[in-house]
Parts: sequence; structure tokens; C-alpha cells
Amino acid sequence: KAGVTQTPRYLIKTRGQQVTLSCSPISGHRSVSWYQQTPGQGLQFLFEYFSETQRNKGNFPGRFSGRQFSNSRSEMNVSTLELGDSALYLCASSLGGDSSTDTQYFGPGTRLTVL
Amino acid sequence: QKEVEQNSGPLSVPEGAIASLNCTYSDRGSQSFFWYRQYSGKSPELIMFIYSNGDKEDGRFTAQLNKASQYVSLLIRDSQPSDSATYLCAVLGAGGTSYGKLTFGQGTILTVHP
Repeated sequence: KAGVTQTPRYLIKTRGQQVTLSCSPISGHRSVSWYQQTPGQGLQFLFEYFSETQRNKGNFPGRFSGRQFSNSRSEMNVSTLELGDSALYLCASSLGGDSSTDTQYFGPGTRLTVL
Repeated sequence: QKEVEQNSGPLSVPEGAIASLNCTYSDRGSQSFFWYRQYSGKSPELIMFIYSNGDKEDGRFTAQLNKASQYVSLLIRDSQPSDSATYLCAVLGAGGTSYGKLTFGQGTILTVHP
């Protein structure tokens, strides 16, 4: 079974621009979670989607948004980029059925650099 | 107090030794616990998950969970240089507010030297 895929793998943007990242989950998985990883803050939860609905959201500003399509693929968007948005953005997929035992598998990540 | 705390590193062990990684969590309602391994420049890779109190073994890895003490650990037996990586403890909470949200510790860097 193919793993989680993310595109693009690397991005360089300038402050003020916006960016869209894409994630395709493992076949059969309906939940997609997004995380931001930085050296200073570690891995932080952004949001989770299941069946095209956002079920959970982390403590990030409204510049960070996402959506999920009917085929479970997900995108996240960051508008008005700031230097501090430079990070590794990871998506993880899971079955999404039982919230107490759901196991997440990570994609390779998108490395975003904001200049 | 951080929600998930891991023993401070880095941890250095000789090849063939047992590496012990520890993690405590603050949310007593947490249901599921995960260990991920992350090599430098790569994404986290799932090693083990554990839901029930006690030990769970998978090859050279053993996860231990004690919900009363809010403590979870990972033992790596017969450590190999290829085990050198950052190990991340992650906790999945209970209830609707936990949907898809893993809370991670800061990670413990493990180095296995020949």
C-alpha cells in the first residue's frame, strides 16, 4: 500500500506571499492531520479533517487554513507568509474511525522557507 | 508544566546495550500513546503504539505504559548504530477535542556508538 504523499517537497517563498501544500493520505484513510515542526517549538498540531469536515484545530492564527476533498486528499494554505512560518509541514493520515486509538502515519513533509 | 515531557538528552549508549527512553504526560484522560522515530531531515516514522497498561513487545522494542503514574517508556534492546535518531513520544487524548491531535514531547536524541 502506498504511503502518505506530500507535494511539493520544498518551497521557497517571500514574506507576504501565500502558499498551498497538498497531502494524499494512505488509501482507505479518511482522516488527515497537519503539523508544523520547527527547531524551537517542536511538532505542533495545526488541524484535522475527516470526511471533508474540520473536526479539530490547534492554536494557530487564521492565516493557516485547510480543506479536504471527497477523495480524502487535503490541502493547507498559509496566507501572508511571515519569516516565522519557515518550518517542516507534515501531514499524517489515519483511518479516523475511533478517535481514542487512531494511529497516524506521516508523509515526508514539505520544507517551507520564507525569505 | 508541559503536556508531554521526555527525558532530557542526548542519550548515548554503546552498540548492543539497552536504550531506555521515558515520557510523562499531564492529561489523565489520555487514551493512546505512540513512539515515533525521526532521522535527521526525515519525517516521523511510527515504531510502537500502546493503549493498555503493561508491556508491549515488538522485536527489539518494548513499550511500557503506566496510566496511574502517567508514564510511558520505550526500551530498545541490542541497540544498533542505525537506531541513532530522535525519538518522539506522542499522546492522543480522549473525547471530541482530541480528534486527530497528537501532542508530542520535545524528543530525545539517541546516539548508539560502535
